[in-house]
Amino acid sequence: KQEVTQIPAALSVPEGENLVLNCSFTDSAIYNLQWFRQDPGKGLTSLLLIQSSQREQTSGRLNASLDKSSGRSTLYIAASQPGDSATYLCAVEYGNKLVFGAGTILRVKS
Amino acid sequence: DAGVTQSPTHLIKTRGQHVTLRCSPISGHKSVSWYQQVLGQGPQFIFQYYEKEERGRGNFPDRFSARQFPNYSSELNVNALLLGDSALYLCASSWALPFKTFFGQGTRLTVV
Repeated sequence: KQEVTQIPAALSVPEGENLVLNCSFTDSAIYNLQWFRQDPGKGLTSLLLIQSSQREQTSGRLNASLDKSSGRSTLYIAASQPGDSATYLCAVEYGNKLVFGAGTILRVKS
Repeated sequence: DAGVTQSPTHLIKTRGQHVTLRCSPISGHKSVSWYQQVLGQGPQFIFQYYEKEERGRGNFPDRFSARQFPNYSSELNVNALLLGDSALYLCASSWALPFKTFFGQGTRLTVV
């Protein structure tokens, strides 16, 4: 069964901290992995996409890594800001569908 | 360019009724997928359509159906609504799969 797990479920940090969100998946036959951001009651905004042949992707203060052999990905957020507060979702692409984790709820306190 | 657009944004229906949700993909995108997101959980895959053909179906009952039109827009239909169908329904589009996927803002369905 294709399952995606995200740890921690929730995280509260003071502004300025660097933080790491974790994602693990059971089936390593992936096409790619995407990290999304979701604000309350809203749709998903794509942050980063890592192809299965890649090891990492960077966009501004965000860096995502992928270790397909161990079934893990991490999202690193540098110098966190209150505007980063949201739910972060990891999604693994298996051809014709995305399989999502339950998300990490991030709160950055000013 | 417009992103993925969904209509309506909110909807309240009574148990047993039928509902139709609509989605317009990003221009040039031929793949449309539907997801259901229950509060506190990640989105769950319902359907994927590519070039007007169903290419994938998730673990949902036959009360759920969908179709894609020649202009690549899509409809999700749910019959005999249950209270448990209350959720945020998300539409996603991409040029094809597996390519970067873009999501709409969703339709919030409440069944009472």
